[in-house]
Amino acid sequence: GIQVEQSPPDLILQEGANSTLRCNFSDSVNNLQWFHQNPWGQLINLFYIPSGTKQNGRLSATTVATERYSLLYISSSQTTDSGVYFCAVTSGGYNKLIFGAGTRLAVHP
Amino acid sequence: DTEVTQTPKHLVMGMTNKKSLKCEQHMGHRAMYWYKQKAKKPPELMFVYSYEKLSINESVPSRFSPECPNSSLLNLHLHALQPEDSALYLCASSQAESQPQHFGDGTRLSIL
Repeated sequence: GIQVEQSPPDLILQEGANSTLRCNFSDSVNNLQWFHQNPWGQLINLFYIPSGTKQNGRLSATTVATERYSLLYISSSQTTDSGVYFCAVTSGGYNKLIFGAGTRLAVHP
Repeated sequence: DTEVTQTPKHLVMGMTNKKSLKCEQHMGHRAMYWYKQKAKKPPELMFVYSYEKLSINESVPSRFSPECPNSSLLNLHLHALQPEDSALYLCASSQAESQPQHFGDGTRLSIL
């Protein structure tokens, strides 16, 4: 089955810093989503981005489907950005959302 | 993503108890999902319902029994669970299969 790898596994930032999270996948995808799981366990949709570029406030994402990777950019990070960021994909005719292991982000004041 | 509502938020049960988790959405979505998430791990798919029919069962033990009474409601019936079943159980829905999935806040389940 498709493999999803995220990097870095852990990231520590000072408030106001920028960061880039990466998601590599081993096969073509139908669906790619970025999620933020906050410390209370809520899994929040950030982007649905099987290809192209999207922006939402301080966050933006780019997926280059032909090269099988996606990037999530966080600018001017805030302490509320802390948590785990997951990339998840579906591939082929199988509607199973496969999650990467996540990037654990801690933003310090 | 609070348009998918899960109840209860927390549940503690003994290994001989029977309980149910409930998930509800009113977005008109036709696919609904159950995921299990252990601490410090990503969510893992358990079941997929599409148009109220079970389309995927990821070899989940029979002590977990899903039910989809209508297009807005998804239940997960629990019976004779084991301590290793303690986890966060997440429900999601999507307009159709392969469309973006929207998650509820989850039920934290503890088995004593």
